[in-house]
Amino acid sequence: GAVVSQHPSRVICKSGTSVKIECRSLDFQATTMFWYRQFPKQSLMLMATSNEGSKATYEQGVEKDKFLINHASLTLSTLTVTSAHPEDSSFYICSVIPSQGYEQYFGPGTRLTVT
Amino acid sequence: QQQVKQSPQSLIVQKGGISIINCAYENTAFDYFPWYQQFPGKGPALLIAIRPDVSEKKEGRFTISFNKSAKQFSLHIMDSQPGDSATYFCAASTGGNEKLTFGTGTRLTIIP
Repeated sequence: GAVVSQHPSRVICKSGTSVKIECRSLDFQATTMFWYRQFPKQSLMLMATSNEGSKATYEQGVEKDKFLINHASLTLSTLTVTSAHPEDSSFYICSVIPSQGYEQYFGPGTRLTVT
Repeated sequence: QQQVKQSPQSLIVQKGGISIINCAYENTAFDYFPWYQQFPGKGPALLIAIRPDVSEKKEGRFTISFNKSAKQFSLHIMDSQPGDSATYFCAASTGGNEKLTFGTGTRLTIIP
């Protein structure tokens, strides 16, 4: 399968600060990347679809001004959690799809803890 | 319409036994059905996937059975091993580059 990296793997930040999470596709170029959030013992919840060179498409109920997504290149997408609060503490996971494929590959995830 | 229902929520199987996890969907536009395996603290890993033009796909000990008329698909893990203990998610999408709709997950525990 494809290799997808995320950085950082864990981050702890204070309430009110912003945190940036990077997602990189190491094996292929990806015009589409997805960002998910997963709470303990729950399924993955899609937050937004990130398309290279255009604005992200956010799922209903996800605040686009709070969760800023930038897909600046075919191998890099970033998620910035702005003015983080304790309720934003979660496991954030990105995924990528090769330009001509169906298979979606996930990154290792980023554990965000807001104190 | 977009839901994928997964059962059971948890499953305990003896080593060497067969683990079976089931999923059902409503959206007939779904045409890609993957299964993911997730270990604690890790991202999901693609295990096996099927398209609706076949009724079964096997890769090693893992088999997907697909019933298009019933809108159901299932994962069978043969000769289950303790290392298979993980959470399994089924998912579905409507085509390439499309978002996945996930099931609720099944926590599988293989006991010696």
